[in-house]
Amino acid sequence: NAGVTQTPKFQVLKTGQSMTLQCAQDMNHEYMSWYRQDPGMGLRLIHYSVGAGITDQGEVPNGYNVSRSTTEDFPLRLLSAAPSQTSVYFCASSYSGTSYGYTFGSGTRLTVV
Amino acid sequence: DQQVKQNSPSLSVQEGRISILNCDYTNSMFDYFLWYKKYPAEGPTFLISISSIKDKNEDGRFTVFLNKSAKHLSLHIVPSQPGDSAVYFCAASGDWGSNYKLTFGKGTLLTVNP
Repeated sequence: NAGVTQTPKFQVLKTGQSMTLQCAQDMNHEYMSWYRQDPGMGLRLIHYSVGAGITDQGEVPNGYNVSRSTTEDFPLRLLSAAPSQTSVYFCASSYSGTSYGYTFGSGTRLTVV
Repeated sequence: DQQVKQNSPSLSVQEGRISILNCDYTNSMFDYFLWYKKYPAEGPTFLISISSIKDKNEDGRFTVFLNKSAKHLSLHIVPSQPGDSAVYFCAASGDWGSNYKLTFGKGTLLTVNP
């Protein structure tokens, strides 16, 4: 199994550009989440989903949109990139919440100039 | 206000000795706690977890202890190995009545010296 696959691994954007970070899992997990990791800040929850068609905001949702049309995919959209969105982004999935642990992807390193 | 705190940014131990990583939390609604290990340029990897109804959970060389009254948990690694060198994140869930949102600490960089 591939687990959680994130693409691209690296991306440089100009301020104001938009893009979509892709996340796909092949474990039939219902729960999926997006986190960002910044130096000295740990990981912070951006958006999450508890099933296809159901999404909600996390701790730092501003500037990001998500949708969940299938169980497998959970893309994260940056609407108008800002330098403050320079970060490493991780997608994670879980079978049934935290008691089973979340499986993380390898991350997307995004730089906004 | 940080709800999950890892006050030691780094820890260095000798191979074969015990590593103790600490974590404190402030939100009494948290009822499930997890530890993740992260190598550079990789995603976090789930290591071990503990429910608030327990005070100890073991998995091989890894043991997590929970002291609810002190809102404190710790991860013990015995014996420590050079391959354990990584950043360790403490995480908690259960806030807002949910079990699917994780709140992370800032992490502790563990270095195990041969």
